[in-house]
Amino acid sequence: GAGVSQTPSNKVTEKGKYVELRCDPISGHTALYWYRQSLGQGPEFLIYFQGTGAADDSGLPNDRFFAVRPEGSVSTLKIQRTERGDSAVYLCASSAGGAVPGELFFGEGSRLTVL
Amino acid sequence: DQQVKQNSPSLSVQEGRISILNCDYTNSMFDYFLWYKKYPAEGPTFLISISSIKDKNEDGRFTVFLNKSAKHLSLHIVPSQPGDSAVYFCAACSGGYQKVTFGTGTKLQVIP
Repeated sequence: GAGVSQTPSNKVTEKGKYVELRCDPISGHTALYWYRQSLGQGPEFLIYFQGTGAADDSGLPNDRFFAVRPEGSVSTLKIQRTERGDSAVYLCASSAGGAVPGELFFGEGSRLTVL
Repeated sequence: DQQVKQNSPSLSVQEGRISILNCDYTNSMFDYFLWYKKYPAEGPTFLISISSIKDKNEDGRFTVFLNKSAKHLSLHIVPSQPGDSAVYFCAACSGGYQKVTFGTGTKLQVIP
């Protein structure tokens, strides 16, 4: 498809488990972002990649969260020892970088529920 | 700290009338401001943006106004249509640095 693809669309897990969320950005987009959206809140920045490197990971809440983008395309957000407070919609976005500053193309999100 | 604030969680407007959504920011380093629109179960989609060197940008029924001295921007939708019913997020970034900061959103309902 032409848009940003995120899998899984829904993930239910138990407290303490490990979770991986995948993002496939728009082809050719060099910038990739992860955001988290809790109920009633706006998207909260987690991490931003330019190519393969994390240009800004200041939004990752703690060391249980980690993200990679090894080949500069697909990215995986990894959450260890999940907690109930991690329940949210995790949004991935990509950008052509420089076209319109701040114009991000979002996927539909991965809804994570930690029981 | 909430650097981008939308103080109205919801707004209800009659079809054909003007919708005005407001946003305030605190970070003086922001130089690009954007509005995103979000339907349920979908990701946000970019709607319109404005550079800090302008005070108005218009695209069809949508106009964004920026008041830098007040650190305030607004989105005007005229005329409002039922299909405009969605959550609108205000966002901001520094042009050369692509971290985008979002507000908490305003849910707009346009009543037919």
